[in-house]
Amino acid sequence: EVQLVESGGGLVKPGGSLRLSCAASGFTFNNAWMRWVRQAPGKGLEWVGRITSKTYGGTTDYAAPVRGRFTVSRDDSKNTLYLQMNSLEIEDTAVYYCTTDSDGGPRDWGQGTLVTVST
Amino acid sequence: DVVMTQSPLSLPVTLGQPASISCRSSQSLVYSDGNTYLSWFQQRPGQSPRRLIYKVSNRDSGVPDRFSGSGSGTDFTLKISRVEAEDVGVYYCMQGTHWWTFGQGTKVEIK
Repeated sequence: EVQLVESGGGLVKPGGSLRLSCAASGFTFNNAWMRWVRQAPGKGLEWVGRITSKTYGGTTDYAAPVRGRFTVSRDDSKNTLYLQMNSLEIEDTAVYYCTTDSDGGPRDWGQGTLVTVST
Repeated sequence: DVVMTQSPLSLPVTLGQPASISCRSSQSLVYSDGNTYLSWFQQRPGQSPRRLIYKVSNRDSGVPDRFSGSGSGTDFTLKISRVEAEDVGVYYCMQGTHWWTFGQGTKVEIK
């Protein structure tokens, strides 16, 4: 059974930093393309960033609102996906989900971790 | 960016009756490999989203067969043949052809 468990969320001030983690199990993580998707309170879904498998170069891509501030990375030895978030803004307040990338969309989702950016 | 527009945004339904949600994209979702990367998701209250349908009409494992997807090009539909109480939630379409973009969501509730 695929499991994705996010952690690292919390309260941070504008301009601050936070690193989220996603522990993966139940599938071959090092072959998987992975993404982060977020959902602001009471709002819809928005993809944040993607990382390909090392076979495809471990390439990263980002949605425009976070480009230059967020970094997706992976540690295949630990089956863990990361999201480093810098220069956080109030608009980054959201639940952040870790997902697998399959057939053009997110197949498996974690339970999410809440990031609150506030003074 | 590709814009995904869902309608209606709110859908009151009667138990046992069919329901239908429309999703339109601002450009064709046919990818260069011939596939159309259009997915549907269900998000029950307080839960993470769950994928129901991928590539327009393929049901994910464990998804009841009362859910079906159809469409092509820029127009797509999710149908629930007979709504059950557990189907209450918000439904999103998503295109994966030009990066990822989600629709605004359609809230399904029981009348």
